[in-house]
Amino acid sequence: AQRVTQPEKLLSVFKGAPVELKCNYSYSGSPELFWYVQYSRQRLQLLLRHISRESIKGFTADLNKGETSFHLKKPFAQEEDSAMYYCALSIYNQGGKLIFGQGTELSVKP
Amino acid sequence: DAGVTQSPTHLIKTRGQQVTLRCSPKSGHDTVSWYQQALGQGPQFIFQYYEEEERQRGNFPDRFSGHQYPNYSSELNVNALLLGDSALYLCASSSRLLGTGFGETQYFGPGTRLLVL
Repeated sequence: AQRVTQPEKLLSVFKGAPVELKCNYSYSGSPELFWYVQYSRQRLQLLLRHISRESIKGFTADLNKGETSFHLKKPFAQEEDSAMYYCALSIYNQGGKLIFGQGTELSVKP
Repeated sequence: DAGVTQSPTHLIKTRGQQVTLRCSPKSGHDTVSWYQQALGQGPQFIFQYYEEEERQRGNFPDRFSGHQYPNYSSELNVNALLLGDSALYLCASSSRLLGTGFGETQYFGPGTRLLVL
């Protein structure tokens, strides 16, 4: 079955340090991958998606089909990056269904 | 545009009761998806509605049903509530530009928190 795994429930870093939030997926075809973010007391919102190849708020993510990974990276973390991050997978023959990972809570300390 | 709206924000029910949750999609969107998010977990897909029909369904029992109206708003109904149905229920809307729903960005509402006692 298709699955998304985020191995870290909590990631704690200091301001200015690099950040990498890991996401691995299990799917043999061509996926579409997303990172969603939920800031405190806000709704879940899209951070970035694989197909657009954008850099949002300094975050980037590269799809590695060989390692079936879509890790989220930022070179210098900011305190306002503290939030819950979810990786999600969309599969062609399953229409609009999104398969989410369990989420990683990022805490950026001053 | 208020974005995706959901009502009510909170709800308390007892086991065996039935509940209806409501969702209005973002302006211009025609597709509504529902997700269940248990505490400490990521959202789990329940089903998706497009053109007033259920198009995709996740691994949820028939106690979970839905409806979409001509104005694209949607309802999620849960019958015979169990304690395990306690969760945050999220509605997400999107636009079927690509035809299948695959790869489309979904915009989420604030959720309805359901507590079953």
